[in-house]
Amino acid sequence: DTGVSQNPRHKITKRGQNVTFRCDPISEHNRLYWYRQTLGQGPEFLTYFQNEAQLEKSRLLSDRFSAERPKGSFSTLEIQRTEQGDSAMYLCASSLAGRFEAFFGQGTRLTVV
Amino acid sequence: GNSVTQMEGPVTLSEEAFLTINCTYTATGYPSLFWYVQYPGEGLQLLLKATKADDKGSNKGFEATYRKETTSFHLEKGSVQVSDSAVYFCAYANTGGFKTIFGAGTRLFVKA
Repeated sequence: DTGVSQNPRHKITKRGQNVTFRCDPISEHNRLYWYRQTLGQGPEFLTYFQNEAQLEKSRLLSDRFSAERPKGSFSTLEIQRTEQGDSAMYLCASSLAGRFEAFFGQGTRLTVV
Repeated sequence: GNSVTQMEGPVTLSEEAFLTINCTYTATGYPSLFWYVQYPGEGLQLLLKATKADDKGSNKGFEATYRKETTSFHLEKGSVQVSDSAVYFCAYANTGGFKTIFGAGTRLFVKA
């Protein structure tokens, strides 16, 4: 296990469709984060898990967004009824509890047409 | 509110020039400070960090010093290379916190 893995790398979807992204963190990391990055901006925090518990959700995460980490390992981020404004790079990161530095995956680029 | 402000890019330098990218932050408590780098086509990578006031983080010839009195964490490198061309993000995480707050990023172009 050499890093955080995200799939797919790219997703093009029609407005109104549902999409799901997967993140596999570094195996010994118990914290997992989702961020969204739009062009020319830094990543913005969306949500955070410690093991399987989702402990914080940003106000950026509308009701159309849901994230899970059912066994405390991989995580999924689902967006329902996608809108053009959802087009962005979705980044996953993981870290060890008690350590602040997060390790990022390469991201999933979502384009809603 | 909590935020990170870094100098706007793009910054264009010739090879072997001196680099400074300014970063200031607004945060409560005693955050840990980071510089992340994003090379073309790659994910974010941690470049360096500093966890307390007056600490100096360094890596790959880059340095940044945690200045609590000025709430700054400016990135410097004495002699840049073409391979340093990337986007650089200043960021912080609060003590006991669980999320990292990022600046908007500064794109660096280094010409041969």
